Amino acid sequence: AQSVTQLDSQVPVFEEAPVELRCNYSSSVSVYLFWYVQYPNQGLQLLLKYLSGSTLVESINGFEAEFNKSQTSFHLRKPSVHISDTAEYFCAVSDLSSNYQLIWGAGTKLIIKP
Amino acid sequence: DVKVTQSSRYLVKRTGEKVFLECVQDMDHENMFWYRQDPGLGLRLIYFSYDVKMKEKGDIPEGYSVSREKKERFSLILESASTNQTSMYLCASTGGLAGYEQYFGPGTRLTVT
Repeated sequence: AQSVTQLDSQVPVFEEAPVELRCNYSSSVSVYLFWYVQYPNQGLQLLLKYLSGSTLVESINGFEAEFNKSQTSFHLRKPSVHISDTAEYFCAVSDLSSNYQLIWGAGTKLIIKP
Repeated sequence: DVKVTQSSRYLVKRTGEKVFLECVQDMDHENMFWYRQDPGLGLRLIYFSYDVKMKEKGDIPEGYSVSREKKERFSLILESASTNQTSMYLCASTGGLAGYEQYFGPGTRLTVT
C-alpha cells in the first residue's frame, strides 16, 4: 500500500533564506503528487501538483517541486522565504486503487524567523 | 470559483450530545470526504462518498456516521460525542475534470467538553 513520509515535522528558517521540505512516497507505480498549504485557522489549499510531463512544477508564489521517480521523492523548495509563507505544508499522493483518494503525509510546519 | 462550505467554523458540544457537521460543494463533484486533523497526525480519513447514498469507511470510522442524500451535501454525524473527538474536521470534494485534486472547506474546530 502507498505511504507518504514527510521527514520533518517542523522546519525553522530565517526570512529570505532558502528552504526545502521533504516528501517521500513508497510506491513507484504511476502516481499523481500534490503539495497543499494550510495557513493558520484555514482549510487546505492546493499549492502545486504533478500529473505528468515536466518533472519540475511551480506555484504562483515562488515554490517549486521536482518529481524524482527513481528516489520516489517530491521535495518542495523555495529560494527565498517570506514571513507570509508561515504555514503547514502537506504532501499527498494519489491512491489509484480507490475512488480518488489521496494518501497524506503528516505535515511540515514552516516557521519563518525574522 | 470553486467552493466548499462547512456549516460552522467553531463548535462546542457536551459529552453525549449528537453532533451534525454539514458540508456543501458547488462543483457537481461525485466524491466527497471527511477528515479529522490532529497535531502531528496529519489528515486521517473518516469516511468518503463516491455517489449519492454511497459511502465507504476510511481509516478511523469508529464513533462516526455519514449521510449523503444529495450530491452537493455530505454530513458527518457524531452519534454520542466524546472528548476524544475534539479535533479539526475538514471536508473535501473532487471529481470530473478535477481528477484527484481535492478541494477543501475551511474546517470546523469541534470542542467536546
